[in-house]
Amino acid sequence: GNSVTQMEGPVTLSEEAFLTINCTYTATGYPSLFWYVQYPGEGLQLLLKATKADDKGSNKGFEATYRKETTSFHLEKGSVQVSDSAVYFCALSGETSGSRLTFGEGTQLTVNP
Amino acid sequence: EPEVTQTPSHQVTQMGQEVILRCVPISNHLYFYWYRQILGQKVEFLVSFYNNEISEKSEIFDDQFSVERPDGSNFTLKIRSTKLEDSAMYFCASRGQGNGELFFGEGSRLTVL
Repeated sequence: GNSVTQMEGPVTLSEEAFLTINCTYTATGYPSLFWYVQYPGEGLQLLLKATKADDKGSNKGFEATYRKETTSFHLEKGSVQVSDSAVYFCALSGETSGSRLTFGEGTQLTVNP
Repeated sequence: EPEVTQTPSHQVTQMGQEVILRCVPISNHLYFYWYRQILGQKVEFLVSFYNNEISEKSEIFDDQFSVERPDGSNFTLKIRSTKLEDSAMYFCASRGQGNGELFFGEGSRLTVL
C-alpha cells in the first residue's frame, strides 16, 4: 500500500535559517504529492502540491520538487520566519479520482527570533 | 472563499455515549472524508464517501462508526458507543471532481472521559 515517511522531528531553527524537511514515499503508479501545514490550534491547510514527476510546487517561499527517481518530495525554504512555526505534513494521493490522502508523521517546526 | 465547516468545535462525552460530529462540505464537491488525529500523532484516514455510499474505509472504521449524508449539505460521523481511545481531533474534508486538493475543516475535538 501507499506510505509516506518524514524526517524525524522536531526541528528548531533561528529566524532566517534554511529549512529542509525530508519526505519519501512508497506508492504504485504516479501519485500526487502534497505538503499540508497545521498552525497551532487550527486545521490542515494545503501549502503546496505537485501532480507529476519533476513538478515543483511552491507557496509562501516554500518549495518542493516531485522526484520520482528518489521517490522524494522534500520541503525547503530559504529563510524561515517565526510565523512559519507549525506542524508540516507530507502526504500523497493515489492516481484514482477521489483517492484518499496518506499522511506522513508530521514534523514540528519551531522558529526562534 | 468556500470552506468546509465542522460542528461542534469541541465535545466532551462520557464513555459509552453516542456522538455525532457534523460537517458541511464545500457545496459542489463530490468526495467526502473523515480523518482523525490523536494528540501528537499522525493524521489517520477513517472513511471516504462518494455517490451516497462508502467508497473506502480503514481498519479503524469498525462497526462503532457510521457516516451519513442525510440531506444535500451535511455529512455526519457517528460513534455509537465511545471509548477512551476515541479521544482525538476529527477532521472532515471534501474534494471536487478529479484528484485535486482536499479541503479540510478546522476539526472537532472529541474528549471521552
